[in-house]
Amino acid sequence: DAGITQSPRHKVTETGTPVTLRCHQTENHRYMYWYRQDPGHGLRLIHYSYGVKDTDKGEVSDGYSVSRSKTEDFLLTLESATSSQTSVYFCAISEGRGQNEQFFGPGTRLTVL
Amino acid sequence: AQSVAQPEDQVNVAEGNPLTVKCTYSVSGNPYLFWYVQYPNRGLQFLLKYITGDNLVKGSYGFEAEFNKSQTSFHLKKPSALVSDSALYFCAVRSRSNDYKLSFGAGTTVTVRA
Repeated sequence: DAGITQSPRHKVTETGTPVTLRCHQTENHRYMYWYRQDPGHGLRLIHYSYGVKDTDKGEVSDGYSVSRSKTEDFLLTLESATSSQTSVYFCAISEGRGQNEQFFGPGTRLTVL
Repeated sequence: AQSVAQPEDQVNVAEGNPLTVKCTYSVSGNPYLFWYVQYPNRGLQFLLKYITGDNLVKGSYGFEAEFNKSQTSFHLKKPSALVSDSALYFCAVRSRSNDYKLSFGAGTTVTVRA
């Protein structure tokens, strides 16, 4: 987890409210990713970024948006939280694509009531 | 489309015995393959990866994995398991032709009993 922090680590919110999760890195890696982890599904990619202000959708992007205004910060926003978005969210970083491994943050546990 | 299958939800072994966690993959072309481990309430930690070359890859904490192209498998192994190896293990694959996307298996829970 060194070099990657996520905030908050735990959050409980109500259906319909907006929620923003923050990922901060000190490694100066170009690529950043947001995943959600659900039992039986492993990790699924929500959005990723390949540079400042350069982002793209992953496989489960509906209901989520992202922003990256600085190399070190990658924000994930749930525009109007739903109960199906209750999950554990992980941020990851990597130096490059292809053969480069990703390094993961400690996760944020989000509960939407 | 690329995908990973981890056929066993759980693996139980006694301490000191060999540990194997199975992984098969589907991808177009040659893959990059990865193993990660997750301890309770923690993020994923990188264990090892296959890029090219030697089919036997050695990684952290005494783990190794064998790439088998004909069987499209990348099984994780440890000759002598420790209680501290009890964790959730994920296999992941990335295509060389679409090398942004990393696809994960559903995970295998390993329990090593003393």
